[in-house]
Amino acid sequence: EVQLVESGGGLIQPGGSLRLSCAASGFTVSSNYMSWVRQAPGKGLEWVSIIYSGGSTYYADSVKGQFTISRDNSKNTLYLQMNSLRAEDSAVYYCARGGYCSGGICYRAAFDIWGQGTVVTVSS
Amino acid sequence: DIQMTQSPSTLSASVGDRVTITCRASQSVSNWLAWYQHKPGRAPKLLIYKASSLESGVPSRFSGSGSGTEFSLTISSLQPGDVATYYCQQYNSFWYSFGQGTKLEIK
Repeated sequence: EVQLVESGGGLIQPGGSLRLSCAASGFTVSSNYMSWVRQAPGKGLEWVSIIYSGGSTYYADSVKGQFTISRDNSKNTLYLQMNSLRAEDSAVYYCARGGYCSGGICYRAAFDIWGQGTVVTVSS
Repeated sequence: DIQMTQSPSTLSASVGDRVTITCRASQSVSNWLAWYQHKPGRAPKLLIYKASSLESGVPSRFSGSGSGTEFSLTISSLQPGDVATYYCQQYNSFWYSFGQGTKLEIK
């Protein structure tokens, strides 16, 4: 079964760090474009970051220099390292699959597979 | 960065109504535009990709149209289970972006 399962969320004090994980099954993370998306309480969806199959990474301006996206191909897992956390980083964080490479050709695609989300609360 | 603007922000309609949500991009995204349905406590669900292609398993009452900077999502006959927030998303540039969402309610 193709699925994504996030973990690592929790309550963290302002200024702290947290690493989110997103374990994939049924497909290979390294052959796909993988993103993180968040939804703060009462707000809409916000795209956070992407890692392309070739390893290039991009970030929303709101988290640039603060968050780092990465993957472990041996564990087929995506990560989001979040540092210097602030109250406004409190949100449900989702990982999602969008885009893939096959036969040496890469195709952009919408986010067809999403995890169930993990809650991050930044509060003292 | 490409800004996505949806309208309306809230929409109230009756069961059986035809409803349309619009999405405007600050610059052309060609047809790299998706629509998602998001219900509280659940993961977003892909409805439409490449502006007008229906994702497998999505009811045919959902349809999408548009290209460039103007897009729309139409539900041909609103059902009670369609109550949700709907988002457009561009995936044309390296930096993806969502619209602010349209909350759909039943009258």
